[in-house]
Amino acid sequence: EAGVAQSPRYKIIEKRQSVAFWCNPISGHATLYWYQQILGQGPKLLIQFQNNGVVDDSQLPKDRFSAERLKGVDSTLKIQPAKLEDSAVYLCASSPLNEQFFGPGTRLTVL
Amino acid sequence: KQEVTQIPAALSVPEGENLVLNCSFTDSAIYNLQWFRQDPGKGLTSLLLIQSSQREQTSGRLNASLDKSSGRSTLYIAASQPGDSATYLCALGGSEKLVFGKGTKLTVNP
Repeated sequence: EAGVAQSPRYKIIEKRQSVAFWCNPISGHATLYWYQQILGQGPKLLIQFQNNGVVDDSQLPKDRFSAERLKGVDSTLKIQPAKLEDSAVYLCASSPLNEQFFGPGTRLTVL
Repeated sequence: KQEVTQIPAALSVPEGENLVLNCSFTDSAIYNLQWFRQDPGKGLTSLLLIQSSQREQTSGRLNASLDKSSGRSTLYIAASQPGDSATYLCALGGSEKLVFGKGTKLTVNP
């Protein structure tokens, strides 16, 4: 069974630039999550999708972050414009019911 | 609001030693508890999932327990190996989002 795929794996940008991350969940998983993990911290949920609808985006900084899940499968997370404090690993996870399965993450560095 | 604490933050042991990682939480109204492993620069690998109605789960050399009344979970690793070196995170699933601890960084020395 293929796992959760994410791209790119690494991204370096300057502040005020825009960036987008892509996630392809495990086939058949209805729920998709985007997490932000700052160095030395546990992951923090940014947004949760059930199929292509948003379940929870309470911790998503909506002035600069946006996310969509196309046709209830792939998802993209965008940051526009980026700030220095956005430097982190962005993790995508999917779940069929209770257990979450994570992708390798995208490490973002904002200079 | 659920808060998850993992102690110690870092642990270094010699190869072959049995060890216990601790996870405590403030809200016992949980659906499940999940233990993950994270290697440097990598994503999270799910190790064990304990449903709210269960007391423990085992997989190979790993055993995880859950005591909701005391707000604690432990991850027991038997006969540790250098390949076990990683950061171990626990996460609580409840009516809200999955809440993670900060993790315990384990180093197993040959």
